[in-house]
Amino acid sequence: DTAVSQTPKYLVTQMGNDKSIKCEQNLGHDTMYWYKQDSKKFLKIMFSYNNKELIINETVPNRFSPKSPDKAHLNLHINSLELGDSAVYFCASSPSTVNQPQHFGDGTRLSIL
Amino acid sequence: GQQLNQSPQSMFIQEGEDVSMNCTSSSIFNTWLWYKQEPGEGPVLLIALYKAGELTSNGRLTAQFGITRKDSFLNISASIPSDVGIYFCAGQRGTTDSWGKLQFGAGTQVVVTP
Repeated sequence: DTAVSQTPKYLVTQMGNDKSIKCEQNLGHDTMYWYKQDSKKFLKIMFSYNNKELIINETVPNRFSPKSPDKAHLNLHINSLELGDSAVYFCASSPSTVNQPQHFGDGTRLSIL
Repeated sequence: GQQLNQSPQSMFIQEGEDVSMNCTSSSIFNTWLWYKQEPGEGPVLLIALYKAGELTSNGRLTAQFGITRKDSFLNISASIPSDVGIYFCAGQRGTTDSWGKLQFGAGTQVVVTP
C-alpha cells in the first residue's frame, strides 16, 4: 500500500548508457514531480506534470526525458549517462499544483561508473 | 534566483534537549513545509503551514509561519534518539504560475546522543 513507489531503488551503470526510472502513485493525485538530490543532500526540482501535461522543466539537459502515460505514473528516461548524473532521484506527488504538500517516494540511487 | 537559507547546518544534542531550526527567504511564500529525511528514504512531511503567523504542532514538533511570510521555524521538544535525521524546510509561492514548485533549504542534520 505504498503511496509513491519508485523502481529501481538502486541503479549502477556505465557512462554512456541509457536508463529509465519508474514512478507510480496510488494517492489519486493530479500532479507528479521529479527531484534530484546531490551529494550534499540539496533537493532541486527537475520536472512536474499535471494531469499528464508537462508544466515545469527546470533547465534540465535534454538527455533527461520524462513521460507520463497517465496521471498515476511518471517515468524518467536518461540518455547518454554522465558521471555528473550520479545522485538520488526522487519522485513526488501532490493533489494539485497550488498550496498542496508533496509526498515523496523513497528515491532511486543512481551511480555512474 | 530564490534561495532559502536554513540554519543551523547541523546540530549535535543530548537526548531530552530541545532543538530549533529556521529558514529565511528573500521572497514571500504562501506555503511553508517541513520534512524529515532518514537514510535511504525519501523526505517525509512533518508539518504544513498555510497562513502567516500560523503556529502548528505535530506531537513534539512545533512550526510557525513567519509574519513577514519570508521565514519559518521548527522546534523539536524533548528530543529522542529517533529524531535523528535531516530536516528540510520548503517554501512554495502558491501562485498558478509557480505550478507547485517547491524551494528547499539545504537541510539541518540532527544527531541525538543518549
